[in-house]
Amino acid sequence: DVKVTQSSRYLVKRTGEKVFLECVQDMDHENMFWYRQDPGLGLRLIYFSYDVKMKEKGDIPEGYSVSREKKERFSLILESASTNQTSMYLCASSWGQATYEQYFGPGTRLTVT
Amino acid sequence: GDSVTQMEGPVTLSEEAFLTINCTYTATGYPSLFWYVQYPGEGLQLLLKATKADDKGSNKGFEATYRKETTSFHLEKGSVQVSDSAVYFCALSDNNAGNMLTFGGGTRLMVKP
Repeated sequence: DVKVTQSSRYLVKRTGEKVFLECVQDMDHENMFWYRQDPGLGLRLIYFSYDVKMKEKGDIPEGYSVSREKKERFSLILESASTNQTSMYLCASSWGQATYEQYFGPGTRLTVT
Repeated sequence: GDSVTQMEGPVTLSEEAFLTINCTYTATGYPSLFWYVQYPGEGLQLLLKATKADDKGSNKGFEATYRKETTSFHLEKGSVQVSDSAVYFCALSDNNAGNMLTFGGGTRLMVKP
C-alpha cells in the first residue's frame, strides 16, 4: 500500500513564526502536492511538484513556499505564519501522468495564534 | 475556470437508508470525474471514477454515473452503514487544466444506527 506520512498531526504556532510541514511518500511517485482544507471550500491546491527541485504554483500560493530536495520528500514552508493560515494541510502524491489518482496523508491541523 | 458544486451537509441518515449526494460541475474541456472519501482522522482516498460520458463508476456499493447533458455526477448507495460516515468530495480532472484535480466543498455524511 502507498503510504504518505506527514510530520505532525497537530501543530500550534505563533504569528510571525516560520513553520515547516514535512511530507514523505514511500512509493517512488513523481508528483507531490500540498493542499489546504477549509470547511465549505473543499481542498485548494497550494503548490505541486512533478520532479525533484521542480515546483509549480497552485491556486493559492501566496504566503507559502515549498522545497523538494529528494523525490520522496516535499516540504511546505510558511515564512511568517499568520492567523489566516490556520487550517488543515494535506499532502498527496501520485504517479506520473495519473495526477488525478492521488494518495493523501492524514493531514496536519495547524493553528496560528 | 473549472468548478465543482456539491450539496451542503451534513447529511444525516439512518442505517440501511438510500443515499444520494448531488454533484454538478463546469469545465472547459472533457473532464474525468471522481469521488473521494475522507474517513475520520484519515486522508482522502479515491472511491470511484468515470472518465467519459455515460460511464458508471462503482466501488464498495457506491456508484455514480457521468451525465454530460446535466453536467452531473451524483453519488448513490442503496443501503448505507454506520461505517460509511465520512466526508465525501466530488472532484474533476480537466485535460485542459494540466489534469490537476478541482474539488467540491465536501459533504459530511452521518449514519445513525
